[in-house]
Amino acid sequence: AQSVSQHNHHVILSEAASLELGCNYSYGGTVNLFWYVQYPGQHLQLLLKYFSGDPLVKGIKGFEAEFIKSKFSFNLRKPSVQWSDTAEYFCAVNGPNDYKLSFGAGTTVTVRA
Amino acid sequence: DAGVIQSPRHEVTEMGQEVTLRCKPISGHNSLFWYRQTMMRGLELLIYFNNNVPIDDSGMPEDRFSAKMPNASFSTLKIQPSEPRDSAVYFCASRSRKWGWGHTEAFFGQGTRLTVV
Repeated sequence: AQSVSQHNHHVILSEAASLELGCNYSYGGTVNLFWYVQYPGQHLQLLLKYFSGDPLVKGIKGFEAEFIKSKFSFNLRKPSVQWSDTAEYFCAVNGPNDYKLSFGAGTTVTVRA
Repeated sequence: DAGVIQSPRHEVTEMGQEVTLRCKPISGHNSLFWYRQTMMRGLELLIYFNNNVPIDDSGMPEDRFSAKMPNASFSTLKIQPSEPRDSAVYFCASRSRKWGWGHTEAFFGQGTRLTVV
């Protein structure tokens, strides 16, 4: 069975600080990996995704993530956050032949102006 | 495409009443998911369908919850009878699957905020 672990429950930082959110998964085969963002009061939206190829994935709004297969990790990064990045961030994973998309518990990010 | 469409956006009902939440997935998507989100429990997968067939309903909390997908363009999640602890935001999501390639990302609807008083 797949499982997704997000290390940080709540992160608070100031504008222009760098952000890194951890995500580890347990799955024995090839995986598809996703990061979603949920702004306050809104639905989940895709930030970026990894299927194959370059393990460094660029997403929207200046976010990127790196897939490290040996560490079963898919950490999300942004070099300089803005107040508008305040949101909840979810990591998700599934195997290519799995119907189920498994989400982590989410990390709440609060950016102080 | 208009995206995943859920209705209603907000529902307030009295305990004991039946509640029906509706979802129209993106055309061409063959997988559909129902999630529940609360502060206490986060995002929980309730049930998912593939080609209109329920694949796994192990996340459905109890028999008061039921879900159907009579055709590729419509799904319902029903709670009968409703209880205050069912208050949550319910999300529907859909995606497509390409053999030998995996799945696309899941696209989420705007959610239904359910309040049971």
